[in-house]
Amino acid sequence: DAGVTQSPTHLIKTRGQQVTLRCSPKSGHDTVSWYQQALGQGPQFIFQYYEEEERQRGNFPDRFSGHQFPNYSSELNVNALLLGDSALYLCASSSYVGRPYEQYFGPGTRLTVT
Amino acid sequence: DQQVKQNSPSLSVQEGRISILNCDYTNSMFDYFLWYKKYPAEGPTFLISISSIKDKNEDGRFTVFLNKSAKHLSLHIVPSQPGDSAVYFCAASAAGDDKIIFGKGTRLHILP
Repeated sequence: DAGVTQSPTHLIKTRGQQVTLRCSPKSGHDTVSWYQQALGQGPQFIFQYYEEEERQRGNFPDRFSGHQFPNYSSELNVNALLLGDSALYLCASSSYVGRPYEQYFGPGTRLTVT
Repeated sequence: DQQVKQNSPSLSVQEGRISILNCDYTNSMFDYFLWYKKYPAEGPTFLISISSIKDKNEDGRFTVFLNKSAKHLSLHIVPSQPGDSAVYFCAASAAGDDKIIFGKGTRLHILP
């Protein structure tokens, strides 16, 4: 049973560029949440997708956008990258009907903005 | 504005002893609490949770205690094992809210 997978593992971008991160949820899960984890901090909620719609959004600017596909996989897009966007981006999946709070995390994508 | 606070950045415990990790929260709307464990280069792994209608939940070596009046919860690990060395995150969620709020984490070192 495959867990949550994310790609790529690492990414280096330049300020002002755009980036797309990808996530495949755990088998049987239909909800995907994205988190940003800066160094020395806990994960911070960016947004959550269910039924291909953004259900809730954290305190992040519109430069952060996402998408969920019919197979429940998801993408996180960040435009006009800033140095402060350098972080570990975590994707978490859960079952909306089951225990939505018990989210299962992928290994993350380490984004470095130079 | 830290709604979930883990005031101990690190903790060292002898192997075989009890590890106690503490967490405080400020939002009285939180009704579900979780602990996650994170190894380097891996995503957080769900460990144990507790609903606000309970004051204790046990799963093997792990027990979480919730004191709603003090807005405090703790994770007890007994006995502590070398593989328990990791960063532990306390997290919380409010009813009807999809997001989970995490603390900054406590790094647990199990000493041989």
